[in-house]
Amino acid sequence: DAMVIQNPRYQVTQFGKPVTLSCSQTLNHNVMYWYQQKSSQAPKLLFHYYDKDFNNEADTPDNFQSRRPNTSFCFLDIRSPGLGDAAMYLCATSRGLLDGYTFGSGTRLTVV
Amino acid sequence: GESVGLHLPTLSVQEGDNSIINCAYSNSASDYFIWYKQESGKGPQFIIDIRSNMDKRQGQRVTVLLNKTVKHLSLQIAATQPGDSAVYFCAENAGNNRKLIWGLGTSLAVNP
Repeated sequence: DAMVIQNPRYQVTQFGKPVTLSCSQTLNHNVMYWYQQKSSQAPKLLFHYYDKDFNNEADTPDNFQSRRPNTSFCFLDIRSPGLGDAAMYLCATSRGLLDGYTFGSGTRLTVV
Repeated sequence: GESVGLHLPTLSVQEGDNSIINCAYSNSASDYFIWYKQESGKGPQFIIDIRSNMDKRQGQRVTVLLNKTVKHLSLQIAATQPGDSAVYFCAENAGNNRKLIWGLGTSLAVNP
């Protein structure tokens, strides 16, 4: 029944070692988002795809990249994770930009 | 119990009481508002939304009130239950890029 699925739920990576987080959706939504959420804070938008169009937030570090090979899947690549990148990473989808979001359960990233 | 937006991030209520969580939004051009519930270790979950052409909308045990004059949004939870314990975020959708702007969140604790 899960509609937005994030894998893995928990990810431990070494400082500086590239890591990829994945998100898939069964909703056929046009828009997919990646958010970073640190403890006791609101989610912070990193970027989103509207179909194949990539939209990066101005303050998203270059260290963060994303790929959307098809409608169902979207990946978050962190090229050189630093200790400050430890956070919950949330994927969300929406039908359009004016619609509500459906979130996945998130991936908790730990950098050691 | 009542929370006054950003200055009171924690709300504690007795089981069975009604809860009111408040949110002051920033953009007078915002025309779509959403309340999310986030339990510990999980992604945000959609609760209820409202568009700017309405001032009240009811769901199951929840009501959202919108006061555009003072840019205020509130979430009312009737007969609060322990399962309602979570952080509640309001979000507004505005601007040409239609991004969600998130409030800081209010932590709701329900005492048995």
